[in-house]
Amino acid sequence: QSALTQPRSVSGSPGQSVTISCTGTSSDVGSYDYVSWYQQHAGKAPKLMIYDVFKRPSGVPDRFSGSKSGNTASLTISGVQAEDEADYYCGSYAGSWVFGGGTKLTVL
Amino acid sequence: QVQLQESGPGLVKPSETLSLTCTVSGGSISSSYWSWIRQAPGRGLEWIGYIYYSGSTNYNPSLKSRVTISVDTSRNQFSLNLRSVTAADTAMYYCARGGFCGGGDCRRPFDYWGQGALVTVSS
Repeated sequence: QSALTQPRSVSGSPGQSVTISCTGTSSDVGSYDYVSWYQQHAGKAPKLMIYDVFKRPSGVPDRFSGSKSGNTASLTISGVQAEDEADYYCGSYAGSWVFGGGTKLTVL
Repeated sequence: QVQLQESGPGLVKPSETLSLTCTVSGGSISSSYWSWIRQAPGRGLEWIGYIYYSGSTNYNPSLKSRVTISVDTSRNQFSLNLRSVTAADTAMYYCARGGFCGGGDCRRPFDYWGQGALVTVSS
């Protein structure tokens, strides 16, 4: 399995909406609704934000949402806040896990 | 609240075996699947494999020939052995809960993580 493709960086001003894409193939993202998203602040362990494409664990703000179309999954942050500045990784399970290379979100 | 803590040597020589242990507290290891995930400096995440308390395992195909994950339910621990290491195996190694998906549900994959253990491969 190859790594999933994410943009290296995205940015937005506080209050704006930001979307991070995650492109896989018909063998992983396109075939299974097993896509999850992780937030990682510098020097910290990743944190689960979204799983099964759109499900949000308790405690994750509802400004975080997930979706999928074809071979591409997306994470949208509606009303981005300063504390959202971090690296974000998508992951997909198709018998084994594969992750994206990560996207650095900068809040301007 | 489930907590995970990695332990093991921070320096391993090339060609030797990297060994790490993850101790689970605040919950039974018999209730979930458990994974190892690593992150090379400045790089993305790489899943190594998972184990169930029964001993059933699933490994990343790219590492399968060098990896063994085992579980000790009496100590609420699971362990990673990675053989024949090279500098490319230098990374932060995390243990995490979960990783199995089936029946339309991934059961909150990797919802709890350890703080990570930095392992450097160098002579």
